[in-house]
Amino acid sequence: AQRVTQPEKLLSVFKGAPVELKCNYSYSGSPELFWYVQYSRQRLQLLLRHISRESIKGFTADLNKGETSFHLKKPFAQEEDSAMYYCALTPPGKLIFGQGTTLQVKP
Amino acid sequence: DGGITQSPKYLFRKEGQNVTLSCEQNLNHDAMYWYRQDPGQGLRLIYYSQIVNDFQKGDIAEGYSVSREKKESFPLTVTSAQKNPTAFYLCASSKGQGTNTGELFFGEGSRLTVL
Repeated sequence: AQRVTQPEKLLSVFKGAPVELKCNYSYSGSPELFWYVQYSRQRLQLLLRHISRESIKGFTADLNKGETSFHLKKPFAQEEDSAMYYCALTPPGKLIFGQGTTLQVKP
Repeated sequence: DGGITQSPKYLFRKEGQNVTLSCEQNLNHDAMYWYRQDPGQGLRLIYYSQIVNDFQKGDIAEGYSVSREKKESFPLTVTSAQKNPTAFYLCASSKGQGTNTGELFFGEGSRLTVL
């Protein structure tokens, strides 16, 4: 079965604290994984993809095939990081999303 | 202004009525998608289309129908057979097959409320 699981509905941290948003997946093939973000009153948009191995807005994510995970990390959270984050998996031709995690960064 | 345009933003429907949500894109993208967003359930795929005149069912297609007669347009009809249609609906597009498949561009969404 193809599935993406984000175990936390809400993650609340203080500004400057490290952040880790968890994502686990189930996929029999070779996956492509992504993180999408939706800021308040904005459209859902791509944050980063594992194939690029890039850091966007200080966020990084490493694909761990052994643990079937793709956790999103940032060493020092900022208030502007508060948003809904979705992990997504692409089997050919479509994109499957997880349930989403709301990140709340408190001042 | 390029991008994905969904209309209407808000829609009210009586039980037993069909309603059609519009989605138009001017990005020259081959692929288009419809998702349903519910609190705590994330985005669930309703239908998707990789090319004009072709579309596939997603995970929750029952009670919905689509057409893809033009590259730019992918309307979604919520039929009276859909048991729980009140939701937020998101349309998206992408360049299609290949390394960019995972980058979807989303519309602002349509909120449907069944009275």
